[in-house]
Amino acid sequence: DQQVKQNSPSLSVQEGRISILNCDYTNSMFDYFLWYKKYPAEGPTFLISISSIKDKNEDGRFTVFLNKSAKHLSLHIVPSQPGDSAVYFCAASSSSGTYKYIFGTGTRLKVLA
Amino acid sequence: DAMVIQNPRYQVTQFGKPVTLSCSQTLNHNVMYWYQQKSSQAPKLLFHYYDKDFNNEADTPDNFQSRRPNTSFCFLDIRSPGLGDAAMYLCATSRDYGSGQGGGEQFFGPGTRLTVL
Repeated sequence: DQQVKQNSPSLSVQEGRISILNCDYTNSMFDYFLWYKKYPAEGPTFLISISSIKDKNEDGRFTVFLNKSAKHLSLHIVPSQPGDSAVYFCAASSSSGTYKYIFGTGTRLKVLA
Repeated sequence: DAMVIQNPRYQVTQFGKPVTLSCSQTLNHNVMYWYQQKSSQAPKLLFHYYDKDFNNEADTPDNFQSRRPNTSFCFLDIRSPGLGDAAMYLCATSRDYGSGQGGGEQFFGPGTRLTVL
């Protein structure tokens, strides 16, 4: 039972345009969400996070939106750059669970120059 | 730079031949995690240590063991690798439990890709 789902395995976007990566979750106990970015031959690196008390968190070109009623979050990258080409993982955790991140399967973003 | 290091980056073993993967950290974090990631799948938590306290996930096969001799090092032992154990193994650390700025943000190593022949 996949509790965190990234239904788009891949996405291609032109440089300078907006990239939107989506993530859905099923467990209503999740209250903290993260996005990790992974380049080939490297481990995932933390990108941005959001707590369930917020519906938006922004960090430079990256914004994460959370819609709790729909159990949906999205990562917006504006403007997209070729260096953003990577696999993006969504992860969720519950403060009552303390430590466990549940990851999605990832979306491979390709930004075309 | 403080970091999480995994050795080797690529490991080839034979079916049934024990193998050990290594992880070290210079972050002085309390928690160390081992994840298994198969192709096109999500990273799956196998177990973790909080300091010396070992915590196994319920569905982690008995074939997988771990050791943490000190704060800096953690090992993943696969006693009798099968073809189904071929995967990327990711080590991660966090300062503490909890969410994000509470110290729970996880830092990952580059992974070890295990091939079983």
